[in-house]
Amino acid sequence: GAVVSQHPSWVICKSGTSVKIECRSLDFQATTMFWYRQFPKQSLMLMATSNEGSKATYEQGVEKDKFLINHASLTLSTLTVTSAHPEDSSFYICSARDGGRTYEQYFGPGTRLTVT
Amino acid sequence: GIQVEQSPPDLILQEGANSTLRCNFSDSVNNLQWFHQNPWGQLINLFYIPSGTKQNGRLSATTVATERYSLLYISSSQTTDSGVYFCAVLYSGGGADGLTFGKGTHLIIQP
Repeated sequence: GAVVSQHPSWVICKSGTSVKIECRSLDFQATTMFWYRQFPKQSLMLMATSNEGSKATYEQGVEKDKFLINHASLTLSTLTVTSAHPEDSSFYICSARDGGRTYEQYFGPGTRLTVT
Repeated sequence: GIQVEQSPPDLILQEGANSTLRCNFSDSVNNLQWFHQNPWGQLINLFYIPSGTKQNGRLSATTVATERYSLLYISSSQTTDSGVYFCAVLYSGGGADGLTFGKGTHLIIQP
């Protein structure tokens, strides 16, 4: 149980284009989903928190107009990187909480984004 | 925000050895999780342990919330245990619900 999937697992895009990453909870309803970013050899940093049906809350320093987050249903959140630049190249990982039973988070396998 | 420190940053052991990884945090927490990040980047949930002790096979963990630390024990290490181990916490004082990660312990198990 508690499986989270992400799609795509890796993507290469050209500078200036937009990329959408999907995060799905497969066997539970996720009232809250989270997006993290990890640069090579570094730890994970929280980018934003999204609750189903409401606007995402972004961490300080994360541009909300560049990283668009939509949490349209209890099983799906999407992250769109708009007008991507090479410095946006990173490993993006989503996680989900299971309806508030506990504070435990379940993580997806991650999406490796390379912007050329 | 809450601070999370993991030690040691790097650890090299022979197969069969035991190890203890430590996570110190600066404030009270609602959540503490240990993860193993495999070479493909996937975070494997090891323990959800905001307090107390849990065991799962060769791995066990203890969190002493009042003293603000957690320990992850790996016994009889295998080469497949190699990778980065992260501790992550959720501050109980409100604000963001996302986890704050430590910098990790890079474990290498040599055959």
